[in-house]
Amino acid sequence: KAGVTQTPRYLIKTRGQQVTLSCSPISGHRSVSWYQQTPGQGLQFLFEYFSETQRNKGNFPGRFSGRQFSNSRSEMNVSTLELGDSALYLCASSQGPGIPSTDTQYFGPGTRLTVL
Amino acid sequence: AQKVTQAQTEISVVEKEDVTLDCVYETRDTTYYLFWYKQPPSGELVFLIRRNSFDEQNEISGRYSWNFQKSTSSFNFTITASQVVDSAVYFCALSGNRDDKIIFGKGTRLHILP
Repeated sequence: KAGVTQTPRYLIKTRGQQVTLSCSPISGHRSVSWYQQTPGQGLQFLFEYFSETQRNKGNFPGRFSGRQFSNSRSEMNVSTLELGDSALYLCASSQGPGIPSTDTQYFGPGTRLTVL
Repeated sequence: AQKVTQAQTEISVVEKEDVTLDCVYETRDTTYYLFWYKQPPSGELVFLIRRNSFDEQNEISGRYSWNFQKSTSSFNFTITASQVVDSAVYFCALSGNRDDKIIFGKGTRLHILP
């Protein structure tokens, strides 16, 4: 069974641009969660989608958005990039609603975004 | 507010030594869940364990063991007879039942020296 895949693995953008990251969950998994990891702030929850609906959202500005498609693949978009958005963006999938308390999340390798 | 503290930023031990990673948490939820994840150099987080607040039994899985103590709000992780492959960053995390969000500690970078 293939694991969680994220594309691209590396990305370099400049300030003001926008970026879209993609996550393909494990087959059969309907929940996708996104996390941002930076040296300063550590790992932070961005949002979670289940069956194409956003179930939960972390404390991030509206520049961060996402969506989920009917095949459970998810995309995350960041508009008007800032230097502080440079981070490793991790995606995780789980079978049921991605409530961390009830389901195991499987993580992808991440997308390393660098904003210049 | 919920908070997870991993006071040890970095630890180095020689292979085959035992090592304990500390995790202290704060929450007002009566029902909550604690987790440990491993992040090897490849970057992807690997789930290690989930423990709910009503289950204070310690758990052992091979060389790994976890000690959950509600009285001290701690959920410590011990690796016995460490191996070089255990070198990674380890994260402790907390999720309460009120908002389903997960809060991570800053992580402990573990170096196992051959």
